[in-house]
Amino acid sequence: DVVVTQAPLSSLVILGQPASISCRSSQSLVHSDGNTYLSWFHQRPGQPPRLLVSQISNRFSGVPERFSGSGAGTYFTLRISRVEAEDAGFYYCMQATHFPRTFGQGTKLQIK
Amino acid sequence: EVQLVESGGALVQPGGSLTLSCEVSGLTFSNYWMSWVRQRPGKALEWVATIKKDGSDKYFADSMKGRFTISRDNAKNLLYLQMNRLRVADTAVYYCATGGWNLENWGQGTLVTVSS
Repeated sequence: DVVVTQAPLSSLVILGQPASISCRSSQSLVHSDGNTYLSWFHQRPGQPPRLLVSQISNRFSGVPERFSGSGAGTYFTLRISRVEAEDAGFYYCMQATHFPRTFGQGTKLQIK
Repeated sequence: EVQLVESGGALVQPGGSLTLSCEVSGLTFSNYWMSWVRQRPGKALEWVATIKKDGSDKYFADSMKGRFTISRDNAKNLLYLQMNRLRVADTAVYYCATGGWNLENWGQGTLVTVSS
């Protein structure tokens, strides 16, 4: 199975400052169709996950421009240009290139 | 507006069975692969299963293979997860989501508690 490792597992960011979360996979996530299926999700306590970014860098409908994804192969990053209070919660990356699909352990983002 | 509504979660004894349902509206259900993802209390998200648009192909996490079955009724816009031989470790909130690669839309989840 592809192991997906996130870092950091916890982060405290000052309101208005940037934040960054990394995601590393144990195998290349380039699919045979040429796409790389690495997504990022945000989850607030008691809420379902919400898709932020798919295929490394495609922001989902309604996701603010302050969220951006980058990377290639086995190393990926989610960046928030200026965090807002509503960005607090857990962030997960997920690879969907290989079965079984696997998620990272999650990163807890706290806003100060 | 796309909506996914899970139902069927309950308290069940170890070794028991349960079937979860997910009703989808706001999109053409038969055009979408569908997936189940679960989240144990205080833990990370865990992929459970994915089914192709027409139900012809199904994929499962190793720990659920042989115990869980995923199916769909495209005429009724319904996705199912049949869970057999349930274990305490299967206690989780179960979410359905649209897509097999990009899990775009999610339901609110349904709680399954396996306990004696």
